[in-house]
Amino acid sequence: DAGVIQSPRHEVTEMGQEVTLRCKPISGHNSLFWYRQTMMRGLELLIYFNNNVPIDDSGMPEDRFSAKMPNASFSTLKIQPSEPRDSAVYFCASSKAGGPYNEQFFGPGTRLTVL
Amino acid sequence: KNEVEQSPQNLTAQEGEFITINCSYSVGISALHWLQQHPGGGIVSLFMLSSGKKKHGRLIATINIQEKHSSLHITASHPRDSAVYICAVLSPHSSYNTDKLIFGTGTRLQVFP
Repeated sequence: DAGVIQSPRHEVTEMGQEVTLRCKPISGHNSLFWYRQTMMRGLELLIYFNNNVPIDDSGMPEDRFSAKMPNASFSTLKIQPSEPRDSAVYFCASSKAGGPYNEQFFGPGTRLTVL
Repeated sequence: KNEVEQSPQNLTAQEGEFITINCSYSVGISALHWLQQHPGGGIVSLFMLSSGKKKHGRLIATINIQEKHSSLHITASHPRDSAVYICAVLSPHSSYNTDKLIFGTGTRLQVFP
């Protein structure tokens, strides 16, 4: 069974551009998480969904960030407009059920560089 | 002061040594996660525990709720254990009907042959 799939793996863009990161969770998993990791702040939870519904978006930095989960097999994290301080590795993870109370399986991450 | 503190920040060991990584937290929690991040960047969930002890292979995780402390032990360490180990706690959210995840800054472990 394939693990969590993220695309693209690397993204380089210029300040002001729109960036869309994509995630396909493990089939049968009901919870999906978006994380950001930087040297300065470490790993941070941005948002998580349970059964496609956003449960906790308190970690979303500001209105430039938005996340959607239109169905059980796909989610996007969008940054518009992007800024250099958004440069980070963005991880997607999924779990069987119950949000953060279960083992999470992480994708390989998307390394975003905003110039 | 961070709500989740890990020690040490960096740790080097010789192959075969017994390793202990500590995680202390200052908030009430419902559970605690230990994660492993490989040098290539991939993250693996090792344990989730809310009391007592869990063991998987050479890894043992313990938690003391009263003392607000957890430890991750590695027995007979091996160079392939070299990674960053991250502790994260689930703590009641002030404004959402769920717990929030708070991460420690990680402990970088290097095991030499």
